[in-house]
Amino acid sequence: DIVMTQTPLSSPVTLGQPASISCRSSQSLAHSDGNTYLSWLHQRPGQPPRLLIYKISNRFSGVPDRFSGSGAGTDFTLKISRVEAEDVGIYYCMQATQFRTFGQGTKVEIK
Amino acid sequence: QVQLQESGPGLVKPSETLSLTCAVSGGSITSNNWWSWVRQPPGEGLEWIGEIFRSGGTNYNPSLKNRVTISLDKSNNQFSLRLTSVTAADTAIYYCVRDQDYGGFDYWGQGTLVTVSS
Repeated sequence: DIVMTQTPLSSPVTLGQPASISCRSSQSLAHSDGNTYLSWLHQRPGQPPRLLIYKISNRFSGVPDRFSGSGAGTDFTLKISRVEAEDVGIYYCMQATQFRTFGQGTKVEIK
Repeated sequence: QVQLQESGPGLVKPSETLSLTCAVSGGSITSNNWWSWVRQPPGEGLEWIGEIFRSGGTNYNPSLKNRVTISLDKSNNQFSLRLTSVTAADTAIYYCVRDQDYGGFDYWGQGTLVTVSS
């Protein structure tokens, strides 16, 4: 089974400042079809998660361009260029290369 | 706009079977997508349960495989989850999700809380 590990688990951030979350997989997420199926989701309290990024760096429809994804192989990063109040919540990485596995989640809160 | 809506009992007794249905609107269950179930224990993270394709083909989380069945009801545009021999550890919010071929879960139901208790 592929294990996904996120760091940090909690991230206090200042409004308007950047934030970064890392996600590491226990084995390469490069699929035999040439794609790497790593996505990022955001969950606000009391709501279902919503898709932000898919295949490492592709923003889903309607996602602001302050969100960006990068990485390859086993190491991936989600960056928020300037944190806004609506960005608080829990961020999850998820792999879909072999079945589906989520990271533990990273809680982003305002300082 | 695709919408998903979970339905089913909110309380299940230990050792019994949990059964949920996900009604899909605004899109066809026979489109080129997988359809997944994901759960989230209160205050905890997300766990993928399994998925089904329009052909009826399924994949399940290895840790739940022995207890899970996901099925498709094309005539009613919905899919279902059965989880047998439940315990308190199965108490969670259960979400149904559309699983795109690019590996992203793009549409989610609002979720339904299922509590396992006698």
